Amino acid sequence: KAGVTQTPRYLIKTRGQQVTLSCSPISGHRSVSWYQQTPGQGLQFLFEYFSETQRNKGNFPGRFSGRQFSNSRSEMNVSTLELGDSALYLCASSSSGGYSNEQFFGPGTRLTVL
Amino acid sequence: AQRVTQPEKLLSVFKGAPVELKCNYSYSGSPELFWYVQYSRQRLQLLLRHISRESIKGFTADLNKGETSFHLKKPFAQEEDSAMYYCALFTGGGNKLTFGTGTQLKVEL
Repeated sequence: KAGVTQTPRYLIKTRGQQVTLSCSPISGHRSVSWYQQTPGQGLQFLFEYFSETQRNKGNFPGRFSGRQFSNSRSEMNVSTLELGDSALYLCASSSSGGYSNEQFFGPGTRLTVL
Repeated sequence: AQRVTQPEKLLSVFKGAPVELKCNYSYSGSPELFWYVQYSRQRLQLLLRHISRESIKGFTADLNKGETSFHLKKPFAQEEDSAMYYCALFTGGGNKLTFGTGTQLKVEL
């Protein structure tokens, strides 16, 4: 099985711009979660989608949004970028919305905001 | 609110020495805990979960609800164990994991 893929792998944007990141889960996985990883804050949960519905949301401002398509692919969008949004954004997929399923992580998208 | 604490940023041990990576959590409900590992230039991946009560690559972890801990242990460290280790708490209601800040394990020869 192909693993979780994320595109693009690297992005450079300037303050005020917006960005869209994409995540393709493992085939058959219906749950996609997004995390932000920074040296200062570590890994922080952004949100999770299951069957095109957002089920969980972390403590991030409304500038961070996401969606999931019928094929389970997911996108996250960050509007009005700030310098502090520079981070590695990871997505993870799991096989169902059930309890305690292993999450499979992608390689991440490295976002740099100048 | 749930919280995971890994007090050590870096743990350096010699090959063959015992390893213990500490993890403490706070959560009012019934916790489910995991250890994830990230080897150099690889993706974050699951190492073990407490409900499985299994040993993976020689590592074990026991959930101690009284001490709210889930420490990761290995009796004899190997060079290939060098990696970043994250303790994570699953709190239900979907796939949300709360991660600790991670401990970099360095096994020296």
